[in-house]
Amino acid sequence: QKEVEQDPGPLSVPEGAIVSLNCTYSNSAFQYFMWYRQYSRKGPELLMYTYSSGNKEDGRFTAQVDKSSKYISLFIRDSQPSDSATYLCAMRRTGANNLFFGTGTRLTVIP
Amino acid sequence: DAGVTQSPTHLIKTRGQQVTLRCSPKSGHDTVSWYQQALGQGPQFIFQYYEEEERQRGNFPDRFSGHQFPNYSSELNVNALLLGDSALYLCASSFDRGSRETQYFGPGTRLLVL
Repeated sequence: QKEVEQDPGPLSVPEGAIVSLNCTYSNSAFQYFMWYRQYSRKGPELLMYTYSSGNKEDGRFTAQVDKSSKYISLFIRDSQPSDSATYLCAMRRTGANNLFFGTGTRLTVIP
Repeated sequence: DAGVTQSPTHLIKTRGQQVTLRCSPKSGHDTVSWYQQALGQGPQFIFQYYEEEERQRGNFPDRFSGHQFPNYSSELNVNALLLGDSALYLCASSFDRGSRETQYFGPGTRLLVL
């Protein structure tokens, strides 16, 4: 079993839709949770960074962490064609330096 | 302010050859991590360098080695290339502040082994 599971999609939505992206994990030691956006043939770009459980909002993006369920989510409101990319969840244990990534979900927002 | 830069952008090698990839961290960052991203997969951690020493290593064979220079830039070396080493190699830099470390990625070097 992988430490981080993520539905690879692909996911297609119309412009303006609310998008929900999710990851589950098995290691309860993960304390730091990130979402990265990766455009085709580019490096991952950090979108959201959260510590432990709770919500964090930044513009159209909201990250949620539910440690009791080992489940994290990223919501994108009013999705735009420019949001079309692969979204990677990543997480890290306290005191460790390496990130564990999901496989990524490919999102397409249709104009 | 330049972000993380990597060179070259693309590389084609044949099996058995050796390759060196280079990374310059974001200004103000002192820590460099390397990841391998196979097609359709998430990045996998190779190792991290801090103060010119390998601080942590992932589950990669000894064919993968690295170096960090006094200016914090870093190299990734892969010996005896295999077809399975074909991937996007990503460098991430961060400023070591313990638990609050956040990693920022470069554009990657795409390696094709024939």
